[in-house]
Amino acid sequence: EVQLVESGGGLIHPGGSLRLSCAASGFTVSSNYMSWVRQAPGKGLEWVSVIYSGAGTYYADSVKGRFTISRDNSKNTLYLQMNSLRAEDTAVYHCARNMVGDRIYGMDVWGQGTTVTVSS
Amino acid sequence: DIQMTQSPSSVSASVGDRVTITCRASQGISSWLAWYQQKPGKAPKLLIYVTSSLQSGVPSRFSGSGSGTDFTLTISSLQPEDFATYFCQQANSFPLTFGGGTKVEIK
Repeated sequence: EVQLVESGGGLIHPGGSLRLSCAASGFTVSSNYMSWVRQAPGKGLEWVSVIYSGAGTYYADSVKGRFTISRDNSKNTLYLQMNSLRAEDTAVYHCARNMVGDRIYGMDVWGQGTTVTVSS
Repeated sequence: DIQMTQSPSSVSASVGDRVTITCRASQGISSWLAWYQQKPGKAPKLLIYVTSSLQSGVPSRFSGSGSGTDFTLTISSLQPEDFATYFCQQANSFPLTFGGGTKVEIK
């Protein structure tokens, strides 16, 4: 079964760091484009970052320089290292597999999400 | 960044109704648009990609159309399981951006 399971969320003080994990099963993370998407409480969806199969990366301006996306091919796992966290980073963080052709067509497999709360 | 504007923000409808949701991009995105359905406490589900291609397993009552800056998602005959929030997302360029969502509620 194709599945993504996130972990690593929690309550963290402003300025702190957290690393989210996204374990994949049923497909190979390194062969796919993978994104992180977040959703603040009661709000819409915000794309955060993508890592290409070739390991290129892109970030939303709101997290550039603070967040780093990476993967461990041996563990078939995607990561999001989050530093210098702010209250506005509070959200449910989903990892998602991207369907790719000429562009990223859409995100066809999603994890259930892990909650990050940044508060003093 | 490309801004995505959805309308309406909410709609009340009955089972069997035809529902249309609109998404407008702040600049042309060709056909690089996807639609998602999200139910409370759940992850989004991909419904349609590249404007009108139905994702595997998605009922044919869902359809998408448009190009350039104006797009629509249509549910031809609303079913009880379709009450949810729907988001559009442009895939033309980074940063990928989503519309604000349309909540489809029971009338």
